Amino acid sequence: DQQVKQNSPSLSVQEGRISILNCDYTNSMFDYFLWYKKYPAEGPTFLISISSIKDKNEDGRFTVFLNKSAKHLSLHIVPSQPGDSAVYFCAASANYNTDKLIFGTGTRLQVFP
Amino acid sequence: IAGITQAPTSQILAAGRRMTLRCTQDMRHNAMYWYRQDLGLGLRLIHYSNTAGTTGKGEVPDGYSVSRANTDDFPLTLASAVPSQTSVYFCASSLAGGGDTQYFGPGTRLTVL
Repeated sequence: DQQVKQNSPSLSVQEGRISILNCDYTNSMFDYFLWYKKYPAEGPTFLISISSIKDKNEDGRFTVFLNKSAKHLSLHIVPSQPGDSAVYFCAASANYNTDKLIFGTGTRLQVFP
Repeated sequence: IAGITQAPTSQILAAGRRMTLRCTQDMRHNAMYWYRQDLGLGLRLIHYSNTAGTTGKGEVPDGYSVSRANTDDFPLTLASAVPSQTSVYFCASSLAGGGDTQYFGPGTRLTVL
């Protein structure tokens, strides 16, 4: 029973274009969401987060959008760069103070020249 | 500042052997976690510790044990390894528990034959 779903295992985008990575969740109690990026042979690194009281959070080229009614969040990368090629995991928590993060299965992004 | 270190980087182990994966953090984080990453399954929580002296079970705890004798160290032990425990193991830490941002180590690739 996957509570956090990333239905696209992979995504290929041309350099300079927008990358949109999607994540769906089933637990309406989730109130905090994060995106992590993972390069091969390295551990995941935190990228950006959003609380359920907001519907958008922006950090440079990265923007996360949250649609609570649809139980959907997305990560936009604009413009995409070859160095963005990595696996991206979304994660969610039902209670920021106590509950553990639940991770999705990941989406492999490839940015080509 | 090293952050989180894990040892060994990789290991090939015969089934039935005992193995301890080491994890050390120097950030004085209260909470620590062990995950396994398997293709198509994302990151799954094995065990966690919200503070030194306490531990808890995650999503896939069977066959694994942990201890948290102090703030910095959080070893993961496989008492009698089985081939299904072949995976990449990541240790992580966070200042607080719950949904707080987690910082990951570089991982240990374990193969059980």
